[in-house]
Amino acid sequence: AQKVTQAQTEISVVEKEDVTLDCVYETRDTTYYLFWYKQPPSGELVFLIRRNSFDEQNEISGRYSWNFQKSTSSFNFTITASQVVDSAVYFCALSEAGYSTLTFGKGTMLLVSP
Amino acid sequence: GAVVSQHPSRVICKSGTSVKIECRSLDFQATTMFWYRQFPKQSLMLMATSNEGSKATYEQGVEKDKFLINHASLTLSTLTVTSAHPEDSSFYICSARESGPSDTQYFGPGTRLTVL
Repeated sequence: AQKVTQAQTEISVVEKEDVTLDCVYETRDTTYYLFWYKQPPSGELVFLIRRNSFDEQNEISGRYSWNFQKSTSSFNFTITASQVVDSAVYFCALSEAGYSTLTFGKGTMLLVSP
Repeated sequence: GAVVSQHPSRVICKSGTSVKIECRSLDFQATTMFWYRQFPKQSLMLMATSNEGSKATYEQGVEKDKFLINHASLTLSTLTVTSAHPEDSSFYICSARESGPSDTQYFGPGTRLTVL
């Protein structure tokens, strides 16, 4: 069975601080996909990134970066120089190859204050 | 690209009435759409998987007669909450999976249902 754990329920930072959101996953499959979604107060889930299990390269997109480490089954998300607009709930999710359903973590609420 | 719309965004109804929520993929074809329910400060709970032209697959504990799902075309799925009761009040979110090798789900903006 697959499982996604986001141990941090809530994180509060001050603007311009860097912040890392942790995600640890469990799966028995060798082929799987990992995702991060952002859910701002409006409610809509915004797709941020998708990673397949064979691609361990770290990725950077502007202020966002992701660190995928299969050895520790982790897919952590770092926001550099956080901004108030980054305040949202962030979900990490996993899907196994051949199955389109997503298993979500419980989410981490990020509060960025000015 | 990959935009999913949902309508209505907010609905308030009386107990006993039925409510229909539409989910559309605007710029891609989605053979599979998903319906989720989210309670305040909780994660998303998958209710059902909807495949175009076939019956939906419901997750354990979700009443299929209560939550009717229709996926009539590659761009439209509907969720009808029948005989709604206050405990059905929740945030309902749909997602659509692009056809093809990509396995990414794109989410709609959600529908907040309040049953009085």
